[in-house]
Amino acid sequence: AQSVAQPEDQVNVAEGNPLTVKCTYSVSGNPYLFWYVQYPNRGLQFLLKYITGDNLVKGSYGFEAEFNKSQTSFHLKKPSALVSDSALYFCAVRDEGLTGGGNKLTFGTGTQLKVEL
Amino acid sequence: KAGVTQTPRYLIKTRGQQVTLSCSPISGHRSVSWYQQTPGQGLQFLFEYFSETQRNKGNFPGRFSGRQFSNSRSEMNVSTLELGDSALYLCASSFSGGEQFFGPGTRLTVL
Repeated sequence: AQSVAQPEDQVNVAEGNPLTVKCTYSVSGNPYLFWYVQYPNRGLQFLLKYITGDNLVKGSYGFEAEFNKSQTSFHLKKPSALVSDSALYFCAVRDEGLTGGGNKLTFGTGTQLKVEL
Repeated sequence: KAGVTQTPRYLIKTRGQQVTLSCSPISGHRSVSWYQQTPGQGLQFLFEYFSETQRNKGNFPGRFSGRQFSNSRSEMNVSTLELGDSALYLCASSFSGGEQFFGPGTRLTVL
């Protein structure tokens, strides 16, 4: 079964510094990977996805993610963090081999990003 | 386009009662998925509906059920509520196998 792991419960970074939120995945076939962000008392907002193609994926709000097949990783990055980026970030993988297709996502446990002045 | 809407936003129920949550997807989206989010278990998939048919189901007891209407709106029902059902219930819609767009959620508290 597919899975994703987010090894860090929390990441702290100073505003203006680059940030990285880590994610590793486990799938048997080709991975469909996603990053979502959740602000307090809100639903999840889509940031970016990797389906195929370039290993560097650009997304919303200046975020990007680097897909690395050999390391089975899909780390989220941003060159310069903002205080407003402080939120809960989830990595997810779309389940494979679902009957009739489907959109089931398996999520990581989430990483709380805190950006300080 | 309007986003995914969920009603109600907050709900308080007592054990043993039942509850129905509603989700209106983005216009044109035919797939609606439901997820449960709790501090202990994280985000867990409940089920997905596509063209009024349940296409996939997660590992939840039969007390959790859902349906989808011809206009793609979806409802989920939880019967015989337990304390452990307290959670944020998220609905997500997608066009066709692409990224899912989530609603703000319904916060259910079971007393």
